[in-house]
Amino acid sequence: DTAVSQTPKYLVTQMGNDKSIKCEQNLGHDTMYWYKQDSKKFLKIMFSYNNKELIINETVPNRFSPKSPDKAHLNLHINSLELGDSAVYFCASSQVWDLSEQYFGPGTRLTVT
Amino acid sequence: EDQVTQSPEALRLQEGESSSLNCSYTVSGLRGLFWYRQDPGKGPEFLFTLYSAGEEKEKERLKATLTKKESFLHITAPKPEDSATYLCAASTSYGKLTFGQGTILTVHP
Repeated sequence: DTAVSQTPKYLVTQMGNDKSIKCEQNLGHDTMYWYKQDSKKFLKIMFSYNNKELIINETVPNRFSPKSPDKAHLNLHINSLELGDSAVYFCASSQVWDLSEQYFGPGTRLTVT
Repeated sequence: EDQVTQSPEALRLQEGESSSLNCSYTVSGLRGLFWYRQDPGKGPEFLFTLYSAGEEKEKERLKATLTKKESFLHITAPKPEDSATYLCAASTSYGKLTFGQGTILTVHP
């Protein structure tokens, strides 16, 4: 069974479009995250939710909006996509929100043309 | 601003040739130092957490150590399957991890 899953794995779209990435974890964890990994492989936290409550909101454009319908799901919606949004987006989860090892999904490679 | 720097950026080893990867951190109040392994096209996989200077943890051919300014990942007698990108990350507050840029390790048979 996949612990943390993301869909889609690849996403190619044009500038100006709106797209969503879905994430689900079946580990029973309380906390979920979205990370962005750029072309230089830097992994940066974007958002974190604990029990459906937003606890980390880094400096991310308002075009990015996370939504957590329940503890097992955290989706990322992106409006008005720009070329600079091209990256690999990782979802992760952890048992608790602090000092807990994080389990990462396989990533979604977003390419904006 | 919290900063984590890893060196070298890339490391090529022969099978059996031991070496170390470095992770230097400048953060306000380190609460934990994490090591992850990332294979191409996959998400990072957790390896270790270190909480205080002097702490060491081992797993197969890997040993992680922590001082007040840096962490080392020692690889003893590596095998080709150890080839991956190794990431370290510092936890400072509210569960936020600040990652380094990673060290790409290649082990040749």
